[in-house]
Amino acid sequence: NAGVTQTPKFQVLKTGQSMTLQCAQDMNHNSMYWYRQDPGMGLRLIYYSASEGTTDKGEVPNGYNVSRLNKREFSLRLESAAPSQTSVYFCASPTSTDRGVDEQYFGPGTRLTVT
Amino acid sequence: LAKTTQPISMDSYEGQEVNITCSHNNIATNDYITWYQQFPSQGPRFIIQGYKTKVTNEVASLFIPADRKSSTLSLPRVSLSDTAVYYCLVGDVFSGGYNKLIFGAGTRLAVHP
Repeated sequence: NAGVTQTPKFQVLKTGQSMTLQCAQDMNHNSMYWYRQDPGMGLRLIYYSASEGTTDKGEVPNGYNVSRLNKREFSLRLESAAPSQTSVYFCASPTSTDRGVDEQYFGPGTRLTVT
Repeated sequence: LAKTTQPISMDSYEGQEVNITCSHNNIATNDYITWYQQFPSQGPRFIIQGYKTKVTNEVASLFIPADRKSSTLSLPRVSLSDTAVYYCLVGDVFSGGYNKLIFGAGTRLAVHP
C-alpha cells in the first residue's frame, strides 16, 4: 500500500516548456487535490477533484490544467511554464478513517524549477 | 472561511512540553480543528483532529475551550525529530470541505539539544 505517489520527484524546465505531473493513490479515495508550496509559505490549492469525472478550481488555478483520468489518477499539466511556477507541488487525497477522523494524505512532492 | 492565527516560530529544548496555540475567532458550527506536521522536503502529515474539549492520541493532545475560538496543540517531551512546521486548519472536513481549508505559514518549531 503506497498511499499517494507522485512523479517525477524533480524537474527543471525552461520558460515556455510544458509538462505533466502525475499523481496516483491506491486507497480508493474519491477526492484528490493539487497544492503548490513556495519557499517559506503554506500550501495553496491549485485544483481539486471531488470525484471521478469532476474537477474544480482552487485558489491559484491560472497556468494549470488537470485531468482526473480515473479514480486512482489525477494529473496536473503546465502548458507553458513560467518562472513564477517554480515551486514544490503536492498531491493529496483525504478520507475518513476508522478512528473517526478525516485526514488528508499527501504525496512526497515534485520539486519544479522553471528557468 | 475560518481564518487562523498562530505564532510564526517557537523554540524549545529536548524533553520539554510544547504548546502551540491557534486562534480561530470565526469558527463555524460544523468546523473541525485539524493539525498537520511538515518536515523539510516532505508533504504535511496529519497529527490530530478535534471538535471540542480534549483529544489525545499517541502523538499529541489537542485542547479546545468551550467557545472553540482557539485551540492548543500539546506535544509532550519533544525530541529533535519534532523540529518541523505545524499547521492549524479549521473547516468542515467531514462534508468534503478540504477545498476550503487554508494552510497558512504555520508555526516553525525548532527543538534544541
